[in-house]
This record gives sequence, C-alpha cells and structure tokens, in this order.
Amino acid sequence: QKEVEQNSGPLSVPEGAIASLNCTYSDRVSQSFFWYRQYSGKSPELIMSIYSNGDKEDGRFTAQLNKASQYVSLLIRDSQPSDSATYLCAGALLTGGGNKLTFGTGTQLKVEL
Amino acid sequence: EADIYQTPRYLVIGTGKKITLECSQTMGHDKMYWYQQDPGMELHLIHYSYGVNSTEKGDLSSESTVSRIRTEHFPLTLESARPSHTSQYLCASSVQTGSAFFGQGTRLTVV
Repeated sequence: QKEVEQNSGPLSVPEGAIASLNCTYSDRVSQSFFWYRQYSGKSPELIMSIYSNGDKEDGRFTAQLNKASQYVSLLIRDSQPSDSATYLCAGALLTGGGNKLTFGTGTQLKVEL
Repeated sequence: EADIYQTPRYLVIGTGKKITLECSQTMGHDKMYWYQQDPGMELHLIHYSYGVNSTEKGDLSSESTVSRIRTEHFPLTLESARPSHTSQYLCASSVQTGSAFFGQGTRLTVV
C-alpha cells in the first residue's frame, strides 16, 4: 500500500467548472502536504503547500487538509483548458533519517471546452 | 525561481556504456532527490540525500549509484547502461521536506 494514495483518473470537467482532486495518506506521513502540477513531458512544479488543518487559498486554487480523516484535496475554480495536467499529491514521510518527500501516483485532469 | 540544473537534457547512448547524469542546485538545499519516470507513469524515487556524504536508496531498486561530495552537486552514474534504463530521470532539491524544486530532467535512451 502506498503512503499517499490518489485516484489516477482521468478526471474530466467542463471549462469554468470546479475540479476537485483528492488524496489520502497513511499514518507514516507527517502533516506537511504539497500539490504539484505536471504537464505532459515536463517536470513537476509546486503549486500549493498546506501544513495546518483547514483551507488555504491561492488564486483559483484551494488546498484542504483534514487530519482526522487523513485527507488532502485541491480545488481548482473556473477550470481552464490550460489546467489540463497531472496533479501530484506529496507528503513528508517520516523515516529514521529524517523526513522524505513521497508522491502519490497522480491524477490526470482534463478540462474540456 | 528555482535554480536547479540537469545535464544533459537528452542522451542517446549504446548498451554497456558508462554514463553520468549531472544535477546541480544553487539554493543551498540540504535534501536532494533522483526520480525515474516513464511517459505517463508515476514518479519513482531511486535515490535521495539528506546532505553531504549522506545518500540512501529510494523505493525503486536501481542499478545506478549517486554521490554527494558537495551540497550543490548530486550526480547519478550508471556503470553499464542497458535498454531497460531508458527513461526520464528527474532531480529535485528542497530545504525541508516538501517545497521541492525539480530540474528539467534528462531523457535517457539506451540503444
């Protein structure tokens, strides 16, 4: 079982809609979480980080963390075709040598015209 | 703006050759990572480092080796390349876990 789990998708939403991307994590993952966006053939880029329970908003993006449910989500409002990409959820894995970043498998998002 | 660089961007090499993929960052980050990713597939961690002279194997077994003699430099070496090593290799660095910045990647093809 992976430490960070995501539905691989694809998730298809119409342009202008809200896209909701979800991620669950195991007990071995600490309370630091990150969302990365990866366009096809490109490297992942960090778009959001969240450390505290609750919501964090940045422009059209909102990250949500629910520690009790071990659940992290990313909402994209007013989805645009340019948002079509794979979204990777990542968390800090607790290890003997320190924290190590661990990624989910990613969810492919398609925003349709 | 992240300052992490990988060279070469593309490499086509014959079976049995020794190769070194370079990764350098100018941000003074302690933690560095190497990931392997096939097209459309997930990221697999193959090596990571907590700092100078500290390297560990990742989740995916790899025949490659790494070294961390200087904070800014984290090269990956394959002693004898095989077609099964064909993939994209991504280097990343971070100050603390998370907020990692990725290089542009090296696309390796072994023929």
